[in-house]
Amino acid sequence: GQNIDQPTEMTATEGAIVQINCTYQTSGFNGLFWYQQHAGEAPTFLSYNVLDGLEEKGRFSSFLSRSKGYSYLLLKELQMKDSASYLCAVLDSNYQLIWGAGTKLIIKP
Amino acid sequence: DADVTQTPRNRITKTGKRIMLECSQTKGHDRMYWYRQDPGLGLRLIYYSFDVKDINKGEISDGYSVSRQAQAKFSLSLESAIPNQTALYFCATSDLLGGRASETQYFGPGTRLLVL
Repeated sequence: GQNIDQPTEMTATEGAIVQINCTYQTSGFNGLFWYQQHAGEAPTFLSYNVLDGLEEKGRFSSFLSRSKGYSYLLLKELQMKDSASYLCAVLDSNYQLIWGAGTKLIIKP
Repeated sequence: DADVTQTPRNRITKTGKRIMLECSQTKGHDRMYWYRQDPGLGLRLIYYSFDVKDINKGEISDGYSVSRQAQAKFSLSLESAIPNQTALYFCATSDLLGGRASETQYFGPGTRLLVL
């Protein structure tokens, strides 16, 4: 079956750095997405990786290793507004998005 | 104005009732999706449509039906609502570039449904 694993919850301090991991086992791979979802709101797109390596976008970076079935989202200079759930999703061989359950990130002052 | 809208935003209904959730988009995208989200389970795909004449079942289509009235409109119906269909429902769209979907999905604000 297809499976995406990410931690249920993480806590970090304002101004610090946090890394949210995602491992996947899917039938084929056509890219990996990270989305941010604030409580009660819609998910919004953060990043897309299809090749191995690090993609940097401001305070957020996303890394992919296809051979290891592994990705992480790195958030730097954490702000209170970064408190949200972070969803990992993989595009499989049929171009269907398979979603992880999300990681709830709690930022403390 | 929002690119993807959903109506209603909140709905309370009783077991056995038929209800319809509507989704409209102004992004000009061909692909539209309906998801439900339950705490701790992430997003699960109910139905998706690649264009007006193409509708496909997702992971959890039982108890649901859809209608793609136009490129911009995609409705989800619960034929006979039951309490375990209480969830947050999202509509999403994506575009098709050069014959291949980019698959960055854009979500509507969601509909909170409570079935009593």
